[in-house]
Amino acid sequence: SQKIEQNSEALNIQEGKTATLTCNYTNYSPAYLQWYRQDPGRGPVFLLLIRENEKEKRKERLKVTFDTTLKQSLFHITASQPADSATYLCALNLDSGGGADGLTFGKGTHLIIQP
Amino acid sequence: DTGVSQDPRHKITKRGQNVTFRCDPISEHNRLYWYRQTLGQGPEFLTYFQNEAQLEKSRLLSDRFSAERPKGSFSTLEIQRTEQGDSAMYLCASSIGAGPNQPQHFGDGTRLSIL
Repeated sequence: SQKIEQNSEALNIQEGKTATLTCNYTNYSPAYLQWYRQDPGRGPVFLLLIRENEKEKRKERLKVTFDTTLKQSLFHITASQPADSATYLCALNLDSGGGADGLTFGKGTHLIIQP
Repeated sequence: DTGVSQDPRHKITKRGQNVTFRCDPISEHNRLYWYRQTLGQGPEFLTYFQNEAQLEKSRLLSDRFSAERPKGSFSTLEIQRTEQGDSAMYLCASSIGAGPNQPQHFGDGTRLSIL
């Protein structure tokens, strides 16, 4: 069956360091992968999207990599700040031209940036 | 700039009652999605619309769940004969186009509690 795995335990990082979150998937060949941020009691907020032929994508302090051979995406936050503390969700789209168009999400990684 | 709006934010009801939630997407977005999220899990895709057409409903959790988008603008999600297991956050999202390369914009959800 299709599966997305993220570190389900909380990740504690000291302020100023780089946080690296992992998303692994099995039995997919996704063309795109998305990352979202979710704060308690709020809906997910879109951060970055990366295509299968892009090795890396950046946006300000955020960087995403996508290795289709390893079936893995890494999400990096550089110069982390306490305000970056949140749950980060990895998501794939199952659309194969005729099926569902909804996103399949991992469970998310709870990131805590300690001052 | 108005984002996706959901109403109500919280709903508490007794088991066996029917509930209806409303979602107002971003105005120029023609795709609308419904998800359910339980504690510690990522959002789970339920159904989606392209304008007023419901293109996928096989992921709805049971025949007690139904969704409409009558004029291609706002949408409603109804749960009939609620059960304890229906307690969750119900999220709505919209996107401007179709396909896995489109980010989805989420509302802050309706939290349903079944007594």
